[in-house]
Amino acid sequence: GAVVSQHPSWVICKSGTSVKIECRSLDFQATTMFWYRQFPKQSLMLMATSNEGSKATYEQGVEKDKFLINHASLTLSTLTVTSAHPEDSSFYICSARDGGANQQFFGPGTRLTVL
Amino acid sequence: DAKTTQPPSMDCAEGRAANLPCNHSTISGNEYVYWYRQIHSQGPQYIIHGLKNNETNEMASLIITEDRKSSTLILPHATLRDTAVYYCIVRVANNAGNMLTFGGGTRLMVKP
Repeated sequence: GAVVSQHPSWVICKSGTSVKIECRSLDFQATTMFWYRQFPKQSLMLMATSNEGSKATYEQGVEKDKFLINHASLTLSTLTVTSAHPEDSSFYICSARDGGANQQFFGPGTRLTVL
Repeated sequence: DAKTTQPPSMDCAEGRAANLPCNHSTISGNEYVYWYRQIHSQGPQYIIHGLKNNETNEMASLIITEDRKSSTLILPHATLRDTAVYYCIVRVANNAGNMLTFGGGTRLMVKP
């Protein structure tokens, strides 16, 4: 299947700093990418949907000014957690839609720990 | 998208078949059944999907009841590496532009 990568795979940062997570579709063009968050022992929760070249659509309860999403190209979407706090510590997972295959493929996830 | 119900956990002996059930009694005629799994600290992995016919691939088999209100994912010879959370998701196939909604899933523990 198609490959989606995320970088970094894990990051530790101090409270108040910003962290950028990249999501790339390696062998297909993704017009739509999704960002999920997963807390320990819980299921994945959708945070936002991003379409290339337009503003992201955020789920209820997700602060758009805190979780900045940029989907500037068909192979790259970024999620920036601004002014991170310990409660933002989580496993962040992106997925990308391969329109040609009508499928969604997931990245390996990024584990964020905010001290 | 229709809601699904799965048992929270199951055990299976290594080498035996793992049968994971899923109820989706409110499924619509144009909704497919998708199965994904998530191994600890990894992103979800696609397994299989189907509409009404049984499906088989190199990973698993999917059995869908005639009324489509439930399905079973079968791992024919479970290995320790199949230990994961398995998610059953119902969705209209041509809505790949829409997100996947994950429920609680079934935590499968394959034991030696």
